[in-house]
Amino acid sequence: RKEVEQDPGPFNVPEGATVAFNCTYSNSASQSFFWYRQDCRKEPKLLMSVYSSGNEDGRFTAQLNRASQYISLLIRDSKLSDSATYLCVGGGADGLTFGKGTHLIIQP
Amino acid sequence: DTAVSQTPKYLVTQMGNDKSIKCEQNLGHDTMYWYKQDSKKFLKIMFSYNNKELIINETVPNRFSPKSPDKAHLNLHINSLELGDSAVYFCASSQGESYGYTFGSGTRLTVV
Repeated sequence: RKEVEQDPGPFNVPEGATVAFNCTYSNSASQSFFWYRQDCRKEPKLLMSVYSSGNEDGRFTAQLNRASQYISLLIRDSKLSDSATYLCVGGGADGLTFGKGTHLIIQP
Repeated sequence: DTAVSQTPKYLVTQMGNDKSIKCEQNLGHDTMYWYKQDSKKFLKIMFSYNNKELIINETVPNRFSPKSPDKAHLNLHINSLELGDSAVYFCASSQGESYGYTFGSGTRLTVV
C-alpha cells in the first residue's frame, strides 16, 4: 500500500523561529509531490509543489530527496498565521496520497 | 467566483437514509475526485473521474455511488447511511497530477 508518513506533532514553535518538517513516502513511482496546508474545519489548500532541485516561495522552502524518499518543508521567520496542519502529498497515476498531517502551533 | 463548490456544507441525517452531495467546478479541469476525511483527519481518496469516466475506485462500500453528468460535475450518492459514514467529504478537481488539486470547502456529514 502506498503510504506517506509524517510526524503528527504538534510542533509548538515561538513566533519568529524557523521550523522544519519531513515526511517519507513509500511509492518510488510517485512523480509529483506537494505540501498542502489545512486550517481547522477548512479544506486543504495547495501551499507549494516540491521539486528535486528544491524550490522557495517567500519564507517557505521545499525539498525532495528521491534517493531517500523524503520531502521537507522549511518555514523561516514563522508567523502566528502559519499555525495550521501541513499535509505532505505524493502522487502518480493513482491520484494523490496524503499524509496525516503535521500540526504546527506558532506561539506569541 | 467559487472554483470548486459543494452542497450542502452540513448534512445531519439518520441511519438508514439515502443522501446526495453535489460538486461543481468552474476551472475547466478534466478530472474530479471525492475524498473522505475521518475523525482522525486522514484524507483518503474514494473516487476519481476523468471527463465523466470513472478512473479510480478505491475500496469503498457499494452504498457509495458517484455520478458525473458532465466533466464539471461529480455527485456522490450514499445509500443506507451508517454511523461510520460520519466524516467530512471533500470534492476536488485537477488538470493533471503535476498541478495538484483544488478542493471544495467540504461537506460535514453526521449520521445519527
